[in-house]
Amino acid sequence: NAGVTQTPKFRVLKTGQSMTLLCAQDMNHEYMYWYRQDPGMGLRLIHYSVGEGTTAKGEVPDGYNVSRLKKQNFLLGLESAAPSQTSVYFCASRGLRRITGELFFGEGSRLTVL
Amino acid sequence: DAKTTQPTSMDCAEGRAANLPCNHSTISGNEYVYWYRQIHSQGPQYIIHGLKNNETNEMASLIITEDRKSSTLILPHATLRDTAVYYCIVSGPPNAGNMLTFGGGTRLMVKP
Repeated sequence: NAGVTQTPKFRVLKTGQSMTLLCAQDMNHEYMYWYRQDPGMGLRLIHYSVGEGTTAKGEVPDGYNVSRLKKQNFLLGLESAAPSQTSVYFCASRGLRRITGELFFGEGSRLTVL
Repeated sequence: DAKTTQPTSMDCAEGRAANLPCNHSTISGNEYVYWYRQIHSQGPQYIIHGLKNNETNEMASLIITEDRKSSTLILPHATLRDTAVYYCIVSGPPNAGNMLTFGGGTRLMVKP
């Protein structure tokens, strides 16, 4: 049982380049989330999805786009990367039928924008 | 979601109980208190949650005051592996799919 898997785990981009982070979960969870964490800070929600084909903005959505074409996958895209987007990105998923409603997190994707 | 206030950092001796406080004075009636922790650079890990009654599981105990304006997470016998950042979060019911907003958390250092 892999849980939540993020790819890639590390990436270095130049300003203006684009890239996509992939999050895959094998727990049939309805909800998926993308967070970013800057050094010494807490996690901030970028976008989230309540089901296949639906997405919504979180606290810090600017500069990012997301898609959830399949229930198990949640993609985070950067169309034109900026140094301010240097961060660690965490994906999480949550199943509605779990008593605790706990979030399951991936291991993180470390992105550096030069 | 209600805002929470936690101390920035705390120390605890190995083997002793770690008591981590959280203030959530603006919590509303249907909001739960959740605790997560983040060890080093890993993804956060769920610890426990509660509405108004005290809760206990294999990891920790959660004590919520009667007026629900504050709570305390208790790690009964802290070990070095409990060194982490602990996040107190207030949000809707577990089955509602609400966003969980992570603040700065409390950095707990367990010392030998």
